[in-house]
Amino acid sequence: GQNIDQPTEMTATEGAIVQINCTYQTSGFNGLFWYQQHAGEAPTFLSYNVLDGLEEKGRFSSFLSRSKGYSYLLLKELQMKDSASYLCAVVDSNYQLIWGAGTKLIIKP
Amino acid sequence: GAVVSQHPSWVICKSGTSVKIECRSLDFQATTMFWYRQFPKQSLMLMATSNEGSKATYEQGVEKDKFLINHASLTLSTLTVTSAHPEDSSFYICSARGQKKDYEQYFGPGTRLTVT
Repeated sequence: GQNIDQPTEMTATEGAIVQINCTYQTSGFNGLFWYQQHAGEAPTFLSYNVLDGLEEKGRFSSFLSRSKGYSYLLLKELQMKDSASYLCAVVDSNYQLIWGAGTKLIIKP
Repeated sequence: GAVVSQHPSWVICKSGTSVKIECRSLDFQATTMFWYRQFPKQSLMLMATSNEGSKATYEQGVEKDKFLINHASLTLSTLTVTSAHPEDSSFYICSARGQKKDYEQYFGPGTRLTVT
């Protein structure tokens, strides 16, 4: 079966750095997305990785290792508004998005 | 670009009635649209995938006769919750995927349905 694992919840301090991990086992791989979802709102796009390596976009970076079935989202200089759920999703061989359960990130002052 | 709208943003209805939710891609043509349901503190659950002009493909456990999906044009898909019950109360989110080789799904803002 297809499976995506990410931690259920993480806590970090304002101004710090946090890394949210995602491991996957899917039938095929056509890329990995990270989405941010605030409570009561729809997900918003953060990043898309299809090749190995690190992609940096402002305070957010996303890393992919296809051989290890592993990705992480790195958030720097954390702000209170970064408190949200972060969803990892993999595009499988049928070009369908397989969603992880999401990681709830709590930022403390 | 790539804006998706949903209407209504929230709706309250009585048990036994039907509710229609619209999903529109405003600035692109969506060959494929997806309907998700999300219960509080849970992740997104894909309900069905619809391609313009063809029948929707429902995920296992989703009743196709209860959740009617119509993807009549490249910019509009509708989800009708028929004979709604309180357990259907949830956050319904649609997303759309364009025609180019772009696997990103663009999400609508969601519709909160409360069935009393």
